Amino acid sequence: GIQVEQSPPDLILQEGANSTLRCNFSDSVNNLQWFHQNPWGQLINLFYIPSGTKQNGRLSATTVATERYSLLYISSSQTTDSGVYFCAVRGSGSARQLTFGSGTQLTVLP
Amino acid sequence: DGGITQSPKYLFRKEGQNVTLSCEQNLNHDAMYWYRQDPGQGLRLIYYSQIVNDFQKGDIAEGYSVSREKKESFPLTVTSAQKNPTAFYLCASKPDRGFDGYTFGSGTRLTVV
Repeated sequence: GIQVEQSPPDLILQEGANSTLRCNFSDSVNNLQWFHQNPWGQLINLFYIPSGTKQNGRLSATTVATERYSLLYISSSQTTDSGVYFCAVRGSGSARQLTFGSGTQLTVLP
Repeated sequence: DGGITQSPKYLFRKEGQNVTLSCEQNLNHDAMYWYRQDPGQGLRLIYYSQIVNDFQKGDIAEGYSVSREKKESFPLTVTSAQKNPTAFYLCASKPDRGFDGYTFGSGTRLTVV
């Protein structure tokens, strides 16, 4: 099946700093989503972005489908941005479900 | 408000017991999913269902069972055959057509004692 790799696995930032999280995938996809998991375990959908660029406030994401990667940008980070960020993809084949990467654990220090 | 409700939030199981985790959605979504999350890892798919009375095994279905008798409900049973059931379990749903965004419940943390 499709493989999803996220980097870095851990990231520690000072409040106000910017960061870039990367997601590489091994095959063509028709669905790519970024999620944030808060410290209580709740997963929140940030972006549905199988291709192109989207922005939502301080967060933006870019997927270059032809090169099989996606980037999540966090600007002016806040302590509430802490948590785990997951990239999940669905291959363009017959698979009907998402495959998740192992996540990036982000800690934003005050 | 529409959403997914998982219950209970915390569950303790004795070895050899079966336990059932509840997942209910009022989003009128066709597809529902169960994922397992272990510490420091991503989510792995246990079972999914795209329509009532039909479900498919995911990547780690052994030791688990599900049913989909109603569109709104997709309960997961962790059987005694599951040798390492301690984990965080997440339920999700999405429309079978159109926008492909998934909605997740808040999870159930299962511990074997």
